[in-house]
Amino acid sequence: AQKITQTQPGMFVQEKEAVTLDCTYDTSDQSYGLFWYKQPSSGEMIFLIYQGSYDEQNATEGRYSLNFQKARKSANLVISASQLGDSAMYFCAMREGAYGQNFVFGPGTRLSVLP
Amino acid sequence: EAGVTQSPTHLIKTRGQQATLRCSPISGHTSVYWYQQALGLGLQFLLWYDEGEERNRGNFPPRFSGRQFPNYSSELNVNALELEDSALYLCASSLAGLAKETQYFGPGTRLLVL
Repeated sequence: AQKITQTQPGMFVQEKEAVTLDCTYDTSDQSYGLFWYKQPSSGEMIFLIYQGSYDEQNATEGRYSLNFQKARKSANLVISASQLGDSAMYFCAMREGAYGQNFVFGPGTRLSVLP
Repeated sequence: EAGVTQSPTHLIKTRGQQATLRCSPISGHTSVYWYQQALGLGLQFLLWYDEGEERNRGNFPPRFSGRQFPNYSSELNVNALELEDSALYLCASSLAGLAKETQYFGPGTRLLVL
């Protein structure tokens, strides 16, 4: 079974609009961390945002926010005011395990921002 | 502050050869992680080193190995290269091996096996 599911292989959004990228995860651990990364065509992975399983508030970092719904095991990334430079692959990732030894990345969503 | 660095940027090998990839973490980071990203696919976890010890490895054959040096830099060795080993190999580092620590990635090494 997939530990991280990203159901949107590709997404389009108009410049300056907001977009939500979906991520659902599967774990039996109580303590885990959820991450979102951006990978432009250059290949480098860029950290965007982190949400801990015990964090009560949704994480925010500038134009990025994470809509964390623990009971539904979802951690959707919201990008507000999309920019052309946001066009990239976006990966949802989870770190779990007794001492955080398991690392799982989702298959990714390719976001294209249209002018 | 310098980010994670990897060398070489590109590597071309033939089947059966050995490849060595190198990674220098961000200064102060003790944990190093290796991932494989085959073309068009997501990241697959390879290895995790912390304080010089291998902490965990992913579902890869033993010909994928590595080590972490006293200065926390790391190298990944791939023996008996196969065509399907062609991929982008990404190294990441974190401040410590705690679950909440963010991993920061290097630019990667593109390995092509002919």
